[in-house]
Amino acid sequence: AQKITQTQPGMFVQEKEAVTLDCTYDTSDPSYGLFWYKQPSSGEMIFLIYQGSYDQQNATEGRYSLNFQKARKSANLVISASQLGDSAMYFCAMREGGNFNKFYFGSGTKLNVKP
Amino acid sequence: DVKVTQSSRYLVKRTGEKVFLECVQDMDHENMFWYRQDPGLGLRLIYFSYDVKMKEKGDIPEGYSVSREKKERFSLILESASTNQTSMYLCASSSPGTGHQPQHFGDGTRLSIL
Repeated sequence: AQKITQTQPGMFVQEKEAVTLDCTYDTSDPSYGLFWYKQPSSGEMIFLIYQGSYDQQNATEGRYSLNFQKARKSANLVISASQLGDSAMYFCAMREGGNFNKFYFGSGTKLNVKP
Repeated sequence: DVKVTQSSRYLVKRTGEKVFLECVQDMDHENMFWYRQDPGLGLRLIYFSYDVKMKEKGDIPEGYSVSREKKERFSLILESASTNQTSMYLCASSSPGTGHQPQHFGDGTRLSIL
């Protein structure tokens, strides 16, 4: 079974609007961490935000927030007030407590921000 | 600022050549990783290393080998390059033992095998 599933290959959003990128995960480990990365067309992977399985509150970093629903095993990324520079691939990833050496990545979502 | 440096952004090689991709990190991380990225498939782990001279196979190690002689440097080797190894290659590093630490990535190498 896939550890990380991103069901939206591509999405469009109007500039200045909010957008939600979906991510579901599969693990039986009670301790895990969830990460979101941004990959612009230039190729570098940029770390955006982290959510720990024991964190009581949803993570936020500037315009990025993580909608963490533990029972549903979902960790959706919310980008508020989209900007043209947000156009990129976005990857969700997970690291399990049983093996901190291993990261699992989803297949990514291509976000296009329209002016 | 943390830095992972990959030796080439773009590389073109011929079928059958031995190809070396180099990666250096300046964060004193124990763990280093090589991924391959193809459209629609996300990132697939080729090899990772958790210490000098230590390595473990990832999900797609066939056709690749790695070398880690120094803590800061992790090399990916294509023993005999084939056209199906044309891809984007990403190197990453992380510290072990703390689950909230992300992987830090290099800028990637777009490798074309002709």
